Amino acid sequence: AQSVTQPDIHITVSEGASLELRCNYSYGATPYLFWYVQSPGQGLQLLLKYFSGDTLVQGIKGFEAEFKRSQSSFNLRKPSVHWSDAAEYFCAVVNYGQNFVFGPGTRLSVLP
Amino acid sequence: DTGVSQDPRHKITKRGQNVTFRCDPISEHNRLYWYRQTLGQGPEFLTYFQNEAQLEKSRLLSDRFSAERPKGSFSTLEIQRTEQGDSAMYLCASSLAGTQGSPLHFGNGTRLTVT
Repeated sequence: AQSVTQPDIHITVSEGASLELRCNYSYGATPYLFWYVQSPGQGLQLLLKYFSGDTLVQGIKGFEAEFKRSQSSFNLRKPSVHWSDAAEYFCAVVNYGQNFVFGPGTRLSVLP
Repeated sequence: DTGVSQDPRHKITKRGQNVTFRCDPISEHNRLYWYRQTLGQGPEFLTYFQNEAQLEKSRLLSDRFSAERPKGSFSTLEIQRTEQGDSAMYLCASSLAGTQGSPLHFGNGTRLTVT
């Protein structure tokens, strides 16, 4: 079955520091991959997506992600974190049945 | 584009009662999804529709759960005989089928508390 793992449950970084959130997927074909962000009590907002072409994709709010087929990974990065980036981040893959499978999430805390 | 809207935002009910949630997707979107999310977890797939047809339903979904999308627009999710384990955030999302890599657009969810 298709699955998504996010090895880090909680990450804390200082404001202005760089960030990398890890995502690994299990999928038999070329995946469609997504990163979403969720603020407390809110729905999920799309940050970026990958489905073909350039393996480095740019998203909103200064985020980017790199697809590495050999490692089955789609890690999210940001060069300089802002306090407003504190939230829960979810990686997702679209499976054969066209429903989206989400990872367990990584909670990001930002120190001033 | 007013986004995906869900009603109510919060629902508190007693165990054994029935509850119904509504979702209005983005108007031009033909796919509508329901997810459940518990604290500290990622969204868990429940079911999805393309137009009015329910195309997939999670095998984990109890028979107490039913969803409809009668005219291919809004959708309702009903939970019968609620249990405390049903307490969660219920998220609705919509997308446009036929568009490669079409992402899900989420509403703000309905938080259900079963006492």
